[in-house]
Amino acid sequence: GAGVSQSPSNKVTEKGKDVELRCDPISGHTALYWYRQSLGQGLEFLIYFQGNSAPDKSGLPSDRFSAERTGGSVSTLTIQRTQQEDSAVYLCASSLGARQPQHFGDGTRLSIL
Amino acid sequence: AQKVTQAQTEISVVEKEDVTLDCVYETRDTTYYLFWYKQPPSGELVFLIRRNSFDEQNEISGRYSWNFQKSTSSFNFTITASQVVDSAVYFCALSEAWGVTGGGNKLTFGTGTQLKVEL
Repeated sequence: GAGVSQSPSNKVTEKGKDVELRCDPISGHTALYWYRQSLGQGLEFLIYFQGNSAPDKSGLPSDRFSAERTGGSVSTLTIQRTQQEDSAVYLCASSLGARQPQHFGDGTRLSIL
Repeated sequence: AQKVTQAQTEISVVEKEDVTLDCVYETRDTTYYLFWYKQPPSGELVFLIRRNSFDEQNEISGRYSWNFQKSTSSFNFTITASQVVDSAVYFCALSEAWGVTGGGNKLTFGTGTQLKVEL
């Protein structure tokens, strides 16, 4: 499709397990962002990629969170040893360049039991 | 630090009424961008508009209009003749313009306003 694609749509896992969330940006978009949306915290920035580099990781809440991007395209957000407070919708956005409007995917709804 | 305040948590209107969603922001940047996004029940955030801080012209797009006032740090959004399909959560957001800290245009969001348009 033409939009940002995220998978899975929903993920339910047990506390302590590791999870991987995938984002496929719009073709040609060099900038990629991860955000988290939760009831308590609203929409929060997590990390920004320009190409394969992450100049800004300031929003990652702990060292259990990491992300990578390969080939200037697909990005994976990994959460290790999940905790219940990690339950949220994880949104990915991409833009043509760092200063262009961001277009969001449908998100991955993560539930930690 | 940047901050966006959307004081209206929820607004209910009857179809065809006009409605204004308020947004107040704080930033130390002299140049910045302001945005509005719509999040319908399906969950996807839909980009509506971006304004640059040095362009204070109001903008109209169909039934949507935006009033940017730098003097009051506000960027309000008006929907004229609202329709049921306008029901959604609307987010105002702010970013630095030049990404000088390396953060691209990471967005700082308000808490959103839930708009319900009823028949």
